[in-house]
Amino acid sequence: DPVMTQTPLSSRVTLGQPASISCRSSQSLVHSNGNTYLSWLHQRPGQPPRLLIYEISNRFSGVPDRFSGSGAGTDFTLRISRVEAEDVGIYYCMQASHFPRTFGQGTKLEVK
Amino acid sequence: EVQLLESGGGLVQPGGSLRLSCVGSGFSFSNYGISWVRQAPGEGLEWVATINDNGANKHYADSVKGRFAISRDNSQNTLFLQMNSLRAEDTAVYYCTRDVGISAWYDYWGQGTLVTVSS
Repeated sequence: DPVMTQTPLSSRVTLGQPASISCRSSQSLVHSNGNTYLSWLHQRPGQPPRLLIYEISNRFSGVPDRFSGSGAGTDFTLRISRVEAEDVGIYYCMQASHFPRTFGQGTKLEVK
Repeated sequence: EVQLLESGGGLVQPGGSLRLSCVGSGFSFSNYGISWVRQAPGEGLEWVATINDNGANKHYADSVKGRFAISRDNSQNTLFLQMNSLRAEDTAVYYCTRDVGISAWYDYWGQGTLVTVSS
């Protein structure tokens, strides 16, 4: 099973400054069809997760362009160019290239 | 507007059963795979099960295989999760999600329903 490891597990970022979260998989996430199904989710306290990024770098509808995703194979990164107060919460990476689907442990983002 | 609404959660004793439902609206339910993802209190996300659009293909996490069964009724836009032989470690909020493509990502999530397994 692909094990997804996120770093850091928590981060405090000054308002307006950039933030970056890394996600590493224990095996390649390239699907047999050639696509890579790595997505990023954001969960605010008391809320369900919501999709931010899919297929490594595609922003979901309504997601601000300060969010971007990159990477390939086993190493992926979520970047926030300028953190805003509403970005607090927990960020998860998730792979859907293999069953079972697996998630990273989550990265808690605080804004100062 | 795409909406997913879960129901059926509650308190159940270890070894008991529960059936969760998820009603989809605002989209063509029969054209999408649907998954269940759970989150234990204070913990991260755990994929539970996935069913494809016509119900022919199902996948389960090892932790629930043989105890849980995912199914759907496209005429009622409803997804089900039959949970048997429940254990304390099944305590979690259960979310249903709309799957895109080959269940490649989950673009919409329900609000979740809480299942508590305790004596």
